Amino acid sequence: LAKTTQPISMDSYEGQEVNITCSHNNIATNDYITWYQQFPSQGPRFIIQGYKTKVTNEVASLFIPADRKSSTLSLPRVSLSDTAVYYCLVGEDNDMRFGAGTRLTVKP
Amino acid sequence: GAVVSQHPSRVICKSGTSVKIECRSLDFQATTMFWYRQFPKQSLMLMATSNEGSKATYEQGVEKDKFLINHASLTLSTLTVTSAHPEDSSFYICSARPTGGDIPATNEKLFFGSGTQLSVL
Repeated sequence: LAKTTQPISMDSYEGQEVNITCSHNNIATNDYITWYQQFPSQGPRFIIQGYKTKVTNEVASLFIPADRKSSTLSLPRVSLSDTAVYYCLVGEDNDMRFGAGTRLTVKP
Repeated sequence: GAVVSQHPSRVICKSGTSVKIECRSLDFQATTMFWYRQFPKQSLMLMATSNEGSKATYEQGVEKDKFLINHASLTLSTLTVTSAHPEDSSFYICSARPTGGDIPATNEKLFFGSGTQLSVL
């Protein structure tokens, strides 16, 4: 089980780029890195998943260095509606345990 | 995209009663479903892994006789909180993983329900 470490909270302003880094020093060869977003009183929502290098979709980018011991979720030009908790999960399909997450607050 | 329906979204019950929460995968089959609970301002805590047609695997510290899980079909898993007490009040969330091939061409491997807020008086 790859333990993950994320900052507890982050503040940003509308229109800025936000980068949230997750450390996972004991990531295994078969592990993928997945990020979820959660709003209060809702289930988590998938953002992005990657294995190595860079992955980009319509909402975010995920940067993974060669040693895969960390990953960075990049949210371009955040808005107030991006205020949420962001979770980094590392593991295989059968291991879906959440870490503490990062509470992102976007200010006007 | 794939949808997981969780019902009810909110339930209030008296202490000592049992509450059943349903988790349905609407447009895909799910051999494996997961149940979580979440207290205010805390992360999701995995309670158990539910596999269709077999007994659920519970995480350490989760009472299997207290939280009964049934996964009788490939689209439905239920969590029953038996003899609920105020300390069981929490937000319960389910997730479902599509059986291989059901949701092609996607990196999204786990789909979550919208959660159930349980309040035990």
